[in-house]
Amino acid sequence: EAGVTQFPSHSVIEKGQTVTLRCDPISGHDNLYWYRRVMGKEIKFLLHFVKESKQDESGMPNNRFLAERTGGTYSTLKVQPAELEDSGVYFCASSRTSGLGETQYFGPGTRLLVL
Amino acid sequence: AQKITQTQPGMFVQEKEAVTLDCTYDTSDPSYGLFWYKQPSSGEMIFLIYQGSYDQQNATEGRYSLNFQKARKSANLVISASQLGDSAMYFCAMREGAGGFKTIFGAGTRLFVKA
Repeated sequence: EAGVTQFPSHSVIEKGQTVTLRCDPISGHDNLYWYRRVMGKEIKFLLHFVKESKQDESGMPNNRFLAERTGGTYSTLKVQPAELEDSGVYFCASSRTSGLGETQYFGPGTRLLVL
Repeated sequence: AQKITQTQPGMFVQEKEAVTLDCTYDTSDPSYGLFWYKQPSSGEMIFLIYQGSYDQQNATEGRYSLNFQKARKSANLVISASQLGDSAMYFCAMREGAGGFKTIFGAGTRLFVKA
């Protein structure tokens, strides 16, 4: 069974540009989560999809971030326009259900550097 | 307020010895789950072990065990018989029943296993 995959693995862009990150969850996992780790800080929750619906987007930092999950399969996270403080590692995770003890399986992350 | 506290930024352990990684948490929700993840240098987050707040016994998974002390709000990870491949970043995390199933992470502890 393939794990969670993320693309690209690294991205270097200039301030003001747009970047789109992609996450492919494990097949059959209805729940998809985005997290990010800004340099030197904790991993922070961004949002949670159940199929194509946003269940919780309380962690999205501002309206420069737009997440979509059309069709309930893969998800994209777009940052437009990117700012310096957006640099960090963006993780995607998926789970079959959203139960309290349900394991969230993480992807390898996308390392974003905004110059 | 910090919900997950990992007070050890870095730890050293001799190969084949046991090591304890500390984690304390803060929640008023009676229903919660505690997780430990391992992040090797390759970057992926690997699920290690889970403890539910109502579980009577400490969780164990192979060489990993979770020392759950509910009254003290601590959930320390014990790795027995350390191996060189255990060198990695370790994150303690929590999910609250009323928290919408987002995972809250600690700052992490970097473990170095010495040969």
